[in-house]
Amino acid sequence: DTEVTQTPKHLVMGMTNKKSLKCEQHMGHRAMYWYKQKAKKPPELMFVYSYEKLSINESVPSRFSPECPNSSLLNLHLHALQPEDSALYLCASSHLAHPVAGELFFGEGSRLTVL
Amino acid sequence: TQLLEQSPQFLSIQEGENLTVYCNSSSVFSSLQWYRQEPGEGPVLLVTVVTGGEVKKLKRLTFQFGDARKDSSLHITAAQPGDTGLYLCAGEKLVFGKGTKLTVNP
Repeated sequence: DTEVTQTPKHLVMGMTNKKSLKCEQHMGHRAMYWYKQKAKKPPELMFVYSYEKLSINESVPSRFSPECPNSSLLNLHLHALQPEDSALYLCASSHLAHPVAGELFFGEGSRLTVL
Repeated sequence: TQLLEQSPQFLSIQEGENLTVYCNSSSVFSSLQWYRQEPGEGPVLLVTVVTGGEVKKLKRLTFQFGDARKDSSLHITAAQPGDTGLYLCAGEKLVFGKGTKLTVNP
């Protein structure tokens, strides 16, 4: 069982909705990540938080808004998404922080469908 | 930017066969990770290699890190249907290769 928990596992939303994806880890890791994965593609990095501060934003559109309330929690707020944003959104954590992340521990992902 | 090339992109074999997949780059890595991902789930870490020339074994899986720390290979002996999945390599810059999709047929 993964020690990174993501909720919800599935989310369907309209283009005008506001929703959030949540991620939690209790391994004491100090870095947390959001990745986006389209079908038959590798995960693509979106955001990195190191010690609860945003350290990397890979030019992600502002309709995706990350938040790290504390060292165990990571949220991704979604607003005015487009159908092409439909994907598996993966949260990960690592003991080491950017720029040398080392081993990543992933959650099972949140499958997002934008209608 | 560290670019990772993985080959082959797809591999379909029969149970009991051996296989090798590769991860190559022009960049030098201080460490490299291998992950396996099953459909609808997140990647699961298999191994980390850090020393040039290092060989690590995980049951039927053998991982090797190139002497120059620019490439790595994963060899599976006597593949089983449970080995089916997407095999991904990643460097410390958080970038993944495109992966090798392995299917092991019973």
